Amino acid sequence: EAGVAQSPRYKIIEKRQSVAFWCNPISGHATLYWYQQILGQGPKLLIQFQNNGVVDDSQLPKDRFSAERLKGVDSTLKIQPAKLEDSAVYLCASSLASWGSTDTQYFGPGTRLTVL
Amino acid sequence: DAKTTQPNSMESNEEEPVHLPCNHSTISGTDYIHWYRQLPSQGPEYVIHGLTSNVNNRMASLAIAEDRKSSTLILHRATLRDAAVYYCILSYSGNTPLVFGKGTRLSVIA
Repeated sequence: EAGVAQSPRYKIIEKRQSVAFWCNPISGHATLYWYQQILGQGPKLLIQFQNNGVVDDSQLPKDRFSAERLKGVDSTLKIQPAKLEDSAVYLCASSLASWGSTDTQYFGPGTRLTVL
Repeated sequence: DAKTTQPNSMESNEEEPVHLPCNHSTISGTDYIHWYRQLPSQGPEYVIHGLTSNVNNRMASLAIAEDRKSSTLILHRATLRDAAVYYCILSYSGNTPLVFGKGTRLSVIA
């Protein structure tokens, strides 16, 4: 079974530039998450999708971050404009999403963003 | 979200058992205890989970205290590949985001 795919793996941009990250979840997984992981900390949720609808985006800085999941499969996370504090690893995860069960979340390798 | 407390770091010799503790004194009756680990430069990966009873799988064992206020992840024979940050996480549903703390950084010495 193929895992969660993310691209690019690394990205370096200057502040105020735009950047986009792509995620392809495991086939059949209805729930998709984007997490941000700052160096030395655990991942923190940015947004959760159930199919192509947003379940939770309360921690997404909406003035600069946006995300979409068209057709309930692939997802794109965008930052525009980037700030220095956005330097982090952006992780995508997916799960089958069975309410009341203990679904495992499967994580991609992440995209390491450096903002100069 | 319910919180967990883990030591910042631990060290183990290769091929010896490792016991990674986690305190979760405010756990509710419906919270599952999950363990994930993150190897260097990789995304987190699932290790094991449990509710009340001890659990075993090919990667590790999970020992849960009778009052459920603490748990211990047991790696039976640590290898160099087990060097990672281990996260203990509480979650009441499979469809909710994971709330990560800082975890325990495990170093394995050859």
